[in-house]
Amino acid sequence: AQTVTQSQPEMSVQEAETVTLSCTYDTSESDYYLFWYKQPPSRQMILVIRQEAYKQQNATENRFSVNFQKAAKSFSLKISDSQLGDAAMYFCAYRSGRGSGAGSYQLTFGKGTKLSVIP
Amino acid sequence: DTGVSQDPRHKITKRGQNVTFRCDPISEHNRLYWYRQTLGQGPEFLTYFQNEAQLEKSRLLSDRFSAERPKGSFSTLEIQRTEQGDSAMYLCASSLGGGADAFFGQGTRLTVV
Repeated sequence: AQTVTQSQPEMSVQEAETVTLSCTYDTSESDYYLFWYKQPPSRQMILVIRQEAYKQQNATENRFSVNFQKAAKSFSLKISDSQLGDAAMYFCAYRSGRGSGAGSYQLTFGKGTKLSVIP
Repeated sequence: DTGVSQDPRHKITKRGQNVTFRCDPISEHNRLYWYRQTLGQGPEFLTYFQNEAQLEKSRLLSDRFSAERPKGSFSTLEIQRTEQGDSAMYLCASSLGGGADAFFGQGTRLTVV
């Protein structure tokens, strides 16, 4: 079974600064996807960024980028020029590339990191 | 399209009562997932539908839980004889195709008193 570990329950960053959230995972699969989801208070979970395991290039979406270290099974999220609206719970998640025998592509989540942005 | 919609947003119920939640996925999405999120934890997979067929259930889904997706459109999750341990956020997600990204609803927060 796959596991996802986020070792930082809480992080804080000054507005306009850069912060990195850590995530490690464990899997025996070679075909998989990794995600970072953002969950603002009382609002829905939003996909921030996706990384395909077969891609060597790290994914980037505007101010958000990842550092994907496949051999180390590490997947960190870097948020540049932090904004007040970035304050939220951030979840790292894993998804198999082949799905389950029943065709499910469910996500396995870490426990999350609560990010606070200080004005 | 307004995304994945869940109703109600909040539900308070007495222990032993039955509750039902509804999820309306994005209209063309054929895959629907239910997750449960307890305080301080990430969401955990409960069950999965492809169209109207419920194809996978987690061991977390006890026999007091039942889910349906009639006609492959909206889905309902019913919890019978609720217990305090059922207090959680229940999230619904949908996707188009197997490997497509999942979109989440805002969730239903259940409090059992």
